[in-house]
Amino acid sequence: TQLLEQSPQFLSIQEGENLTVYCNSSSVFSSLQWYRQEPGEGPVLLVTVVTGGEVKKLKRLTFQFGDARKDSSLHITAAQPGDTGLYLCAGPDSGTYKYIFGTGTRLKVLA
Amino acid sequence: DTAVSQTPKYLVTQMGNDKSIKCEQNLGHDTMYWYKQDSKKFLKIMFSYNNKELIINETVPNRFSPKSPDKAHLNLHINSLELGDSAVYFCASRRTSGSLTETQYFGPGTRLLVL
Repeated sequence: TQLLEQSPQFLSIQEGENLTVYCNSSSVFSSLQWYRQEPGEGPVLLVTVVTGGEVKKLKRLTFQFGDARKDSSLHITAAQPGDTGLYLCAGPDSGTYKYIFGTGTRLKVLA
Repeated sequence: DTAVSQTPKYLVTQMGNDKSIKCEQNLGHDTMYWYKQDSKKFLKIMFSYNNKELIINETVPNRFSPKSPDKAHLNLHINSLELGDSAVYFCASRRTSGSLTETQYFGPGTRLLVL
């Protein structure tokens, strides 16, 4: 079974700081997705990375897919309170219609 | 304008009861999912339907029975509820294509508390 481990599990930082969240696996994934889930809501897709080494930017968020397609990172520059939430990575289980979700990173940005 | 909707949003019930959660999507998608999110926020797939056909059935107790009357609806019936069933249940949908990079759209979740 493919697993996705995220680190750190919890992160509490001050507004304006930078941070990086990691998503790691021992398995190769054809693609990885990053979601943000706000309290009381369902996860919302932020980005999908497909090619090894790919970097995608979404305003202050930078996503990178590892060269070997076994890991990904999410870097937030100058974090804001609105970035607070649960960040989840997810990847397709090979040969099925199933998505495997990571263990999650709970981010709190203090004003 | 809601893309994926679930009812009810909150469900508080006694152990041993039977309950149902409903999900509807108006995105024209043909694949729908049920996920369970536990207290540690771990999101785990339970079932998936494609064009009303069950295609994923994880190791879920048979007290849980999904039903898809049509492509736009996927309901979840739970018999003999147990304390451990307390969790947030999310419905999701996506368009089926040759690629699994299609976006999954999640509903707002149903918070189930079994007393």
